[in-house]
Amino acid sequence: GQNIDQPTEMTATEGAIVQINCTYQTSGFNGLFWYQQHAGEAPTFLSYNVLDGLEEKGRFSSFLSRSIGYSYLLLKELQMKDSASYLCAATDSNYQLIWGAGTKLIIKP
Amino acid sequence: NAGVTQTPKFQVLKTGQSMTLQCAQDMNHEYMSWYRQDPGMGLRLIHYSVGAGITDQGEVPNGYNVSRSTTEDFPLRLLSAAPSQTSVYFCASQGQGASYEQYFGPGTRLTVT
Repeated sequence: GQNIDQPTEMTATEGAIVQINCTYQTSGFNGLFWYQQHAGEAPTFLSYNVLDGLEEKGRFSSFLSRSIGYSYLLLKELQMKDSASYLCAATDSNYQLIWGAGTKLIIKP
Repeated sequence: NAGVTQTPKFQVLKTGQSMTLQCAQDMNHEYMSWYRQDPGMGLRLIHYSVGAGITDQGEVPNGYNVSRSTTEDFPLRLLSAAPSQTSVYFCASQGQGASYEQYFGPGTRLTVT
């Protein structure tokens, strides 16, 4: 079957760095997305990886290793506004998105 | 551009009632989809459309119908509401290609009593 695993909840301190891991099993693979979702709001796009390696975008970076079905989202210089859920989603061979349940990130001052 | 709009934002239904959730996008995207989001679970695909006149079922289509008469609009119909359909519903649209991000509407919070 198809499956996405990510931690349910993480806590970090303002100004610190946090890494949110995601492992996936899909029938075929056409890329991996990370979305941010603040409570009561819609998901918004953060990053897309299809090749192995690290993609950096400001304070956020995303890494992909296709051989082991693994990705992480790295958030640097954490700010209180980064408190949100982070959703990992892999695109399967039919170009459908398979979504993880999300990681709720709590930032403490 | 308004992006993706959804109405209503909140809705309470009684078991057995029917209703339509509206979704519209002004980005000329061919691909549109409907998801439901429940606590502790990932977004689950209900129905999707790859263009006007073309729709297909997703992971959890039972109890829902869709149509796509125009590129802009993609309404979701609940035929006979059940408490199991209590959820947050998101409509999304996407440009052409696997690398294109999905744009989500603000969501509809539906409660079925």
